[in-house]
Amino acid sequence: QSVLTQSPSASGTPGQTVTISCSGSRSNIGSYDVYWYQQLPGTAPRLLIYRSNQRPSGVPDRFSGSKSGTSASLAISGLRSDDEADYYCATWDDSLTTVLFGGGTKLTVL
Amino acid sequence: QVQLVQSGAEVKKPGSSVKVSCRASGGTFSSYAFNWVRQAPGQGLEWLGWIIPVFGTTKTAQRFQDRVAITADESTRTVYMELTTLASEDTAVYYCARGPGSTGGWFDPWGQGTLVTVSS
Repeated sequence: QSVLTQSPSASGTPGQTVTISCSGSRSNIGSYDVYWYQQLPGTAPRLLIYRSNQRPSGVPDRFSGSKSGTSASLAISGLRSDDEADYYCATWDDSLTTVLFGGGTKLTVL
Repeated sequence: QVQLVQSGAEVKKPGSSVKVSCRASGGTFSSYAFNWVRQAPGQGLEWLGWIIPVFGTTKTAQRFQDRVAITADESTRTVYMELTTLASEDTAVYYCARGPGSTGGWFDPWGQGTLVTVSS
């Protein structure tokens, strides 16, 4: 069981907006920036969001991140079939002195 | 634009060690942190540790502290991760990923991954 909690699955239809959440505690999300990664099948993860709400160049503005207290969210608007992937949140934990990943959310586009 | 190229797949016996390499081409090398993250089959991501080559400093996840060694060779722009006393549970794809210093969780870009299979 991961310290950062993500729902195992999420789904939506093309064009919809889907939100994936990541819940933690004061020692991790409550104190540090959150990062989001997209992992397509059989490939390495790709950075989607850094510093909780910033997009690297090349990431479409359909992807947005937010953080409030000890939780963070990734929103994907205008859902497309090629958004079907696993999504992970990550942050630092100063009690465990380690980088933590959420357990991952598998997004299905119906 | 930095690219990270990792060494090839490995098959190891239980109790042995494996050393995986990650060579950086292009971009800045020494002042960044190079992390190692693994992913067991069908499972999530797990951070092993990092090294900042310019300082030679390392940080290893507590559960791997006795078994993981992360080193760097600035002359060849290569980072290494050695995992000892392998068990079947260490079967995973091992990724290297660059981050800006020791900011935990920021990994970009990633290497292509190296599959390590531990089997008798």
